Amino acid sequence: AQTIHQWPVAEIKAVGSPLSLGCTIKGKSSPNLYWYWQATGGTLQQLFYSITVGQVESVVQLNLSASRPKDDQFILSTEKLLLSHSGFYLCAWSQGPNSDYTFGSGTRLLVI
Amino acid sequence: GQQVQQSPASLVLQEGENAELQCNFSSTATRLQWFYQRPGGSLVSLLSNPSGTKHTGRLTSTTVTKERRGSLHISSSQITDSGTYLCAMGGANTGKLTFGHGTILRVHP
Repeated sequence: AQTIHQWPVAEIKAVGSPLSLGCTIKGKSSPNLYWYWQATGGTLQQLFYSITVGQVESVVQLNLSASRPKDDQFILSTEKLLLSHSGFYLCAWSQGPNSDYTFGSGTRLLVI
Repeated sequence: GQQVQQSPASLVLQEGENAELQCNFSSTATRLQWFYQRPGGSLVSLLSNPSGTKHTGRLTSTTVTKERRGSLHISSSQITDSGTYLCAMGGANTGKLTFGHGTILRVHP
């Protein structure tokens, strides 16, 4: 069975500090991977997606970047956090672009 | 871009009543996927169907793609059904799943 793991579960970070969030999928080779973000009280927005190692497409510009260093790993990062980066970050995978998405448990980020 | 509208924004029921949640989308969808968002934020996939009707337990999802609408029916609601229900639409080969703002369901005893 496939499992999706996100880390950390929660973070409190200072404005201007760097950030790295991770996502790992086990039990599935060559998944499509996605990053989503939800501001408090807001709608889930897709940030990035990747269909293969080393390739990432940006959907929404939020001064964040994403990388896929391995087939089963997706990293979301920034060198300088903004207050507006606070929210809930979710990683997801699907078998292909037209398949169902399965989400991880998410990372809650508070930037102060 | 793609837009997804959900209605009602919130719904209050007494235990045992049925709920009907609506989803309208702005462009042709290849699938509609319904999620339950837990209070902590994580998502549970409920049902997914590109068209027609699909059942699981007390849930029924109906999608009419050419009319750009879908619905989720919850029969005999229970207190534990309370939470936020999200509708998401996927376009053909876009690699994108677009979410609605959700319907907040409250079921009272």
